[in-house]
Amino acid sequence: EVVLTQSPGTLSLSPGERATLSCRASQSVSSRYLAWYQQKPGQAPRLLIYGVSSRAIGIPDRFSGSGSGTDFTLTISRLEPEDFAVYYCQQYGSSSGTFGQGTKVEIK
Amino acid sequence: EVQLVQSGAEVKKPGESLKISCQGSGYTFTSYWIGWVRQMPGKGLEWMGIIYPGDSDTRYSPSFQGQVTISADKSISTAYLQRSSLKASDTAMYYCAGRVGSYGPDAFDIWGQGTMVTVSS
Repeated sequence: EVVLTQSPGTLSLSPGERATLSCRASQSVSSRYLAWYQQKPGQAPRLLIYGVSSRAIGIPDRFSGSGSGTDFTLTISRLEPEDFAVYYCQQYGSSSGTFGQGTKVEIK
Repeated sequence: EVQLVQSGAEVKKPGESLKISCQGSGYTFTSYWIGWVRQMPGKGLEWMGIIYPGDSDTRYSPSFQGQVTISADKSISTAYLQRSSLKASDTAMYYCAGRVGSYGPDAFDIWGQGTMVTVSS
């Protein structure tokens, strides 16, 4: 099973700042099968990015994804107040999937 | 409107069985993968497994293999998650989630509202 490790655990930033979130896999992940989600308290997760770098429908272009192999990054170019939330990466491979443990982006 | 609607909250006793449902609408249910995700209180997301309703191809996380059963009834566009012999540690929010933007199980782009399951004596 592929283990995804996200860092940092918590990111304290101000609105307008840039957020860089990391997701490292224990083995190589297919570029088709790496996704990012946002979850706010009391809500279901929302898909942000799939296939490493493709934005899901309705996701603003301040969200971008990059990476390959075992190292992946979600970047939020300029944080808006509604972006403070928990972010998860997720992979699918070898007939199973896993999520990372999450990164909380909080207001500094 | 494309949506997944889950069954309501459950309160169970240890040792009891559970079956929760997730009904899809607004899209061709049999053509897209649908899966289940667990979130224990205050914790992260856990990928449990997925099913392709068209042919019932089912895949489980090793962590959940043998612990739960995922099934689907395509005649009523509904997926199910079953667990027998519940324990207090099964207390969690369970989400169903689907992938309608692609024909592969690469990500979940639609989500149900979640079903809260509480196991307590």
